[in-house]
Amino acid sequence: DTEVTQTPKHLVMGMTNKKSLKCEQHMGHRAMYWYKQKAKKPPELMFVYSYEKLSINESVPSRFSPECPNSSLLNLHLHALQPEDSALYLCASSSRQGVSYEQYFGPGTRLTVT
Amino acid sequence: AQKVTQAQTEISVVEKEDVTLDCVYETRDTTYYLFWYKQPPSGELVFLIRRNSFDEQNEISGRYSWNFQKSTSSFNFTITASQVVDSAVYFCALSERNAGNMLTFGGGTRLMVKP
Repeated sequence: DTEVTQTPKHLVMGMTNKKSLKCEQHMGHRAMYWYKQKAKKPPELMFVYSYEKLSINESVPSRFSPECPNSSLLNLHLHALQPEDSALYLCASSSRQGVSYEQYFGPGTRLTVT
Repeated sequence: AQKVTQAQTEISVVEKEDVTLDCVYETRDTTYYLFWYKQPPSGELVFLIRRNSFDEQNEISGRYSWNFQKSTSSFNFTITASQVVDSAVYFCALSERNAGNMLTFGGGTRLMVKP
């Protein structure tokens, strides 16, 4: 079963709100990723967790805060976002972090910041 | 310089036509992997294929086929007898050992298959 689930599917939040995005996989994968995708653009990598430790942070603003509570779960905490942060947020996982491992993506959370 | 180039931003075909999506990549690594992903309107990226730099064999999976040519740094994707359900954005991506093993995506090609 190559399934990555994400909740919520849609989220509308104000600039002063605090919200969280959730991602879950049960494939035994040890690498998990957050991507941001704007309309008509490819996904942009935000964070990588490998064995529950933050491995890569692509200079993402601190208003985005990732968390990996265990090997199956990945959260993205949002606080004081800007309207330009509105995008599709995709979670992905792979067996390991490495050049040869394909990533499996969830359906995404479509975020609108008002 | 763009590492993965998908020159076709949009392609429109009529059902049952064959269509080829082009992908050209740039790398100095000798070990790298190439991928194709499909993104239907629902948003989820669906993994289609992975190919490593040491294996230039072409691959066929049902109506899908891939042509990897190191001499031209290309990894093209052909859909035979296209169907409406093939309508999606298709991304080619590169993963290089010397670039942290992360995926570098091309700009994507939007394929529209009309009935």
